Amino acid sequence: DTEVTQTPKHLVMGMTNKKSLKCEQHMGHRAMYWYKQKAKKPPELMFVYSYEKLSINESVPSRFSPECPNSSLLNLHLHALQPEDSALYLCASSQDYAGSPFNEQFFGPGTRLTVL
Amino acid sequence: RKEVEQDPGPFNVPEGATVAFNCTYSNSASQSFFWYRQDCRKEPKLLMSVYSSGNEDGRFTAQLNRASQYISLLIRDSKLSDSATYLCVVSSGTYKYIFGTGTRLKVLA
Repeated sequence: DTEVTQTPKHLVMGMTNKKSLKCEQHMGHRAMYWYKQKAKKPPELMFVYSYEKLSINESVPSRFSPECPNSSLLNLHLHALQPEDSALYLCASSQDYAGSPFNEQFFGPGTRLTVL
Repeated sequence: RKEVEQDPGPFNVPEGATVAFNCTYSNSASQSFFWYRQDCRKEPKLLMSVYSSGNEDGRFTAQLNRASQYISLLIRDSKLSDSATYLCVVSSGTYKYIFGTGTRLKVLA
């Protein structure tokens, strides 16, 4: 089973709202990722958790706050977002680090976020 | 120069045609290489990893040329359902996977 699940599928929020995106995988993967993707652009890395610790933060504004409660779950807490933050937010997981051709990333279906 | 470069296309080909995409990468320390396909408004789906010796999966063949720092994807006998954006992804052994901008393919009936 190579499934990564994400909820919700769609989210509309105002600039003063607080919301959370959720991601789950049961493949025993030890690395989990958040990406942001705008239309007609490739995914942009935001955060990486490895072994439940934050490994990479790609200088993401603090209005995005990641959390990894356990090895299967990854959350992204959103607060005071801007309209330009509207995008598809993708979660991914991989076995471990990207050092071998066998360490593929598997993506969830994404949350389409609209900030009004 | 971008770390991973792809021709954005679009490549418009008739059904049954053979089409090839290339992707160049700038970091000679790159270790892992992948092709993903992404349909409109969907997530990227892994098509295949690219091994040093090259590999084939049905109608799809991937090759790696380390000397010239590029990977390629060949699709034989194109189907309408192959229409998508094909993303080249490269990693140098860290948690960072670098995506190319994608090549759009449209297979025409």
